[in-house]
This record gives sequence, structure tokens and C-alpha cells, in this order.
Amino acid sequence: GDSVTQMEGPVTLSEEACLTINCTYTATGYPSLFWYVQYPGEGLQLLLKATKADDKGSNKGFEATYRKETTSFHLEKGSVQVSDSAVYFCALSDSQGAQKLVFGQGTRLTINP
Amino acid sequence: ETGVTQTPRHLVMGMTNKKSLKCEQHLGHNAMYWYKQSAKKPLELMFVYNFKEQTENNSVPSRFSPECPNSSHLFLHLHTLQPEDSALYLCASSQVGTGDYEQYFGPGTRLTVT
Repeated sequence: GDSVTQMEGPVTLSEEACLTINCTYTATGYPSLFWYVQYPGEGLQLLLKATKADDKGSNKGFEATYRKETTSFHLEKGSVQVSDSAVYFCALSDSQGAQKLVFGQGTRLTINP
Repeated sequence: ETGVTQTPRHLVMGMTNKKSLKCEQHLGHNAMYWYKQSAKKPLELMFVYNFKEQTENNSVPSRFSPECPNSSHLFLHLHTLQPEDSALYLCASSQVGTGDYEQYFGPGTRLTVT
């Protein structure tokens, strides 16, 4: 079945550092890809998405490009802030037509001032 | 109210209690979901409802009983829970049939079973 693998956390960075959180996926069809973010004490919020190969999703300074050849959707930001501290989830839409998302295990990010 | 709301936000219950979690979506969506989020398994899909019909039950124990009276409301009835059921329970909604798979999440109910 479909699956998502994220880099192990936790990740700790200093403010203004560059961020990359790796995400790779396995799917039999052509899924849409998502990054969700969960701030402390809250539910998940959509951060960005891409619906087809070579699409780039972007929001709040974060970017991710749908790479079909490497089955990847890595999350990047050039300069992180303390307010970016959260748990980040990579997800894909089920490629068998079921209306559901398959989530990775999440990566906890902590940004120190 | 906007988006997806969940009540209560926090719940402490004994193993012999019966309680219910409530979710309401104000987005006009036709699909709703229950997820369990715990330290051991970060995000587990429990139930899916499309047009008020349950379309998925991921081998969830019968002590969890979902109810979807209409496309805007979703309940999770709890009885004789175990301490390992302590977790954050998240509700989500989406619009089926548009090709947009984005799900919108509520803030969750933090459940503690004593």
C-alpha cells in the first residue's frame, strides 16, 4: 500500500538557519502531496501542497517540490524563526481512490533563539 | 464558528465511564474523519464517513463507537476505555468528489483515561 517516510526527529536548529525535512513516498498511482504543521496544543494545519509532478508548493517561506523521479517532497526554508517550532507531517492522497490521506510519522522541529 | 470545532478540549475519565466527543464542521464538507494521535503512533486513522455513511473502520476496538447523524456533525462515543486509549483525538473534514484531497482539522480533544 501507499506509504510516507519522513526523516527522524527531533530536529533542533538556531534561528535563521536553513531547514530541510526529507520526505519520500511510495504510491502506485499519482497522488497529491501535502505538508501539514501542528503547533503546540493545536490540530494540524495545511502548510502547502502539490498536485502533480514538478509542482512547487509554497507558504510562509516554506517550499516543497513534487519530484516524481525520486518520489520525494522535501520541505525547505531558507531562514527559520522561533515561531516555526512545531511538528511537521508529510502526507499523500491515497492513490487507490479512497478519500483519505496517508501520513508520515511527523518530525518535531525546535528553533532556538 | 468557523472551520472544524471539537468539544470538549480536555477530558479525564475513568475506565468505567461513558463519554462522548463531539465534532462539528462549518465548511459544507461531505466527509468526516476521526484520528488518534499518541506518542507511540503519531497519527492513526480510525473512522471515515462519506455522506454520513461509514466507509472505513481501521480495526478500531468496539469500545469506540462513532456516530454521524448528518454531514456536519460527528461523534465518538467512548465506554470502558483502557489507559492506553489516552491520546489526542482529532477530527477532520474534506469535500469528496472534487479531486481536492485536503483535510481540515479541528484542535483535538486531549483524553486521559485513569
